[in-house]
Amino acid sequence: DAGVIQSPRHEVTEMGQEVTLRCKPISGHDYLFWYRQTMMRGLELLIYFNNNVPIDDSGMPEDRFSAKMPNASFSTLKIQPSEPRDSAVYFCASSPPGTGYNEQFFGPGTRLTVL
Amino acid sequence: AQSVTQPDIHITVSEGASLELRCNYSYGATPYLFWYVQSPGQGLQLLLKYFSGDTLVQGIKGFEAEFKRSQSSFNLRKPSVHWSDAAEYFCAVRPGGYQKVTFGTGTKLQVIP
Repeated sequence: DAGVIQSPRHEVTEMGQEVTLRCKPISGHDYLFWYRQTMMRGLELLIYFNNNVPIDDSGMPEDRFSAKMPNASFSTLKIQPSEPRDSAVYFCASSPPGTGYNEQFFGPGTRLTVL
Repeated sequence: AQSVTQPDIHITVSEGASLELRCNYSYGATPYLFWYVQSPGQGLQLLLKYFSGDTLVQGIKGFEAEFKRSQSSFNLRKPSVHWSDAAEYFCAVRPGGYQKVTFGTGTKLQVIP
């Protein structure tokens, strides 16, 4: 079975550019989470969806970040405009119905470098 | 506020030796507890979890963890480490209800021949 799929795996961009990260959750999962991992701050939850609806976006750092989930099989995290401090590894995770945070399956991550 | 502490940033063990990774949490009630492993360039994988019941929890890849309420700890153990266990290990805590998981800062495990 395919796990959580993220694209691209690596992204290098220049400050001020728009960045879009993509995630395909595991089929049948109805929770989707976006995390950011940095050396300084560790692993932080940015936002999560349940049944395609954003439930908690309190971790989104600022208005430059936005996330959407137009259907059960696709989500995007967009940064516009990007800044060097956004450089991090961004993970998407999904979980089966009824499990929420308790059974998260993580994707391989997207390593973002903003120059 | 809830917090989770992994006091060891880096641990080195010899292949075949036993392993214990420490995790302490700060929360009034017994939270949900998790251990995840992250191999280089990969996402996190759930090793095991504790919600209630038997305080010794068995996980995948031969790992186990023991919940000790009196010490607010949830240490991860493996009796004999393999070179493939080299990775970073994260303890995570969730108070329950609809509250989110908080991850520890991680312990990087190096396995030497």
